[in-house]
Amino acid sequence: GENVEQHPSTLSVQEGDSAVIKCTYSDSASNYFPWYKQELGKRPQLIIDIRSNVGEKKDQRIAVTLNKTAKHFSLHITETQPEDSAVYFCAARGNFNKFYFGSGTKLNVKP
Amino acid sequence: EAQVTQNPRYLITVTGKKLTVTCSQNMNHEYMSWYRQDPGLGLRQIYYSMNVEVTDKGDVPEGYKVSRKEKRNFPLILESPSPNQTSLYFCASSQGTSRPQHFGDGTRLSIL
Repeated sequence: GENVEQHPSTLSVQEGDSAVIKCTYSDSASNYFPWYKQELGKRPQLIIDIRSNVGEKKDQRIAVTLNKTAKHFSLHITETQPEDSAVYFCAARGNFNKFYFGSGTKLNVKP
Repeated sequence: EAQVTQNPRYLITVTGKKLTVTCSQNMNHEYMSWYRQDPGLGLRQIYYSMNVEVTDKGDVPEGYKVSRKEKRNFPLILESPSPNQTSLYFCASSQGTSRPQHFGDGTRLSIL
């Protein structure tokens, strides 16, 4: 099956700096890659997603890039704010419509 | 309000006592899924359903059962719970498999 690896596991940045979280996947058939944000004690919520026919997608301060050849995709958050502090999960939809999640990145934005 | 509703939110029970966690969505979504979340392991898919009467195993299905008799409901059944099933469980639904999944608030299960 699919294997999704996510790095780093923790990330601390100063408010206003950029944050980058990287994920790799193993199954070349995977074609949908969502990113979820989970605040403490809350449910995961989608922040951005990308399909395999697109190399980059941007939504205000958040962007995702996808490199199908290298099988990796990244989340970029610019001008970070304290409310961006949360755990972020990448995911990939593999064969048979199964979803595989990374192990999560705890982002801490210091004021 | 569009939502995914799970019940119960918290449950402490004992090994071997059958339990069911209910999940209901009001968005007419076709795809529904159950995940468990454990520290350091992210979310792992237990079972999913593409539509009524269609269910499939995810990555960690052992010890769990599901059913999809109606489009809106997707209960998770633990026939004989064991301590290694102590976890935080999330139900999710989406319009399709390339659409965002909407998660419930989670169910924290403790099996003693």
